[in-house]
Amino acid sequence: EIVLTQSPATLSLSPGERATVSCRASQSVSIPLAWYQQKLGQAPRLLIYDTFKRATGIPTRFSGSGSGTHFTLTISSLEPEDFAVYYCQQLTNFGGGTKVEIK
Amino acid sequence: EVQVVESGGGLVQPGGSLRLSCAASGFSFNSYWMTWVRQAPGKGLEWVANINQDGSELNYADSVRGRFTISRDNAKNSVFLHMNILRAEDTAVYFCGRNLGYEQLDYWGQGTLVTVSS
Repeated sequence: EIVLTQSPATLSLSPGERATVSCRASQSVSIPLAWYQQKLGQAPRLLIYDTFKRATGIPTRFSGSGSGTHFTLTISSLEPEDFAVYYCQQLTNFGGGTKVEIK
Repeated sequence: EVQVVESGGGLVQPGGSLRLSCAASGFSFNSYWMTWVRQAPGKGLEWVANINQDGSELNYADSVRGRFTISRDNAKNSVFLHMNILRAEDTAVYFCGRNLGYEQLDYWGQGTLVTVSS
């Protein structure tokens, strides 16, 4: 089973700053990775699929990159609505989540 | 417009059963795998089960295998999760999602809460 480890657990930033969330896999497999955003009381929303493709309607400030065992979600300039929890996923495995909070 | 709506959650005693439903619309339902994911209160996401387009291939998380059964009715654009021998640790919001491939879910329902407690 692949274990996905996200870091940091919490990211404290101000609007306008750049956010970088890391997702490390316990083993390298040639399987695409997805990123989701979840706000309190809501369902997760797909942001990135196939490691780097933006889902429908997702702003260009969100980008995904990486390969092998290390993947990254980058938010180039945080908007107020971006403060949320972010999860990575590879097949049936989810990371533990990263909370992006207002500093 | 693609929509996915879960229903059927509620309070059930340990050892009891419940059936969750997920009604889909706005897309060619019989062309997609469908997946259930759950989230315990204050916790992260946990993949539960999936089903292929014609219902001939089913997969389960170890934590639910043998107790939960996923099924679908393409005539009704619906997928179901039959849950038996429920435990306190099954308490969670259960989400249904459309599977884009490799379990990447592009549309999710709002979730339905299952509480297992005496």
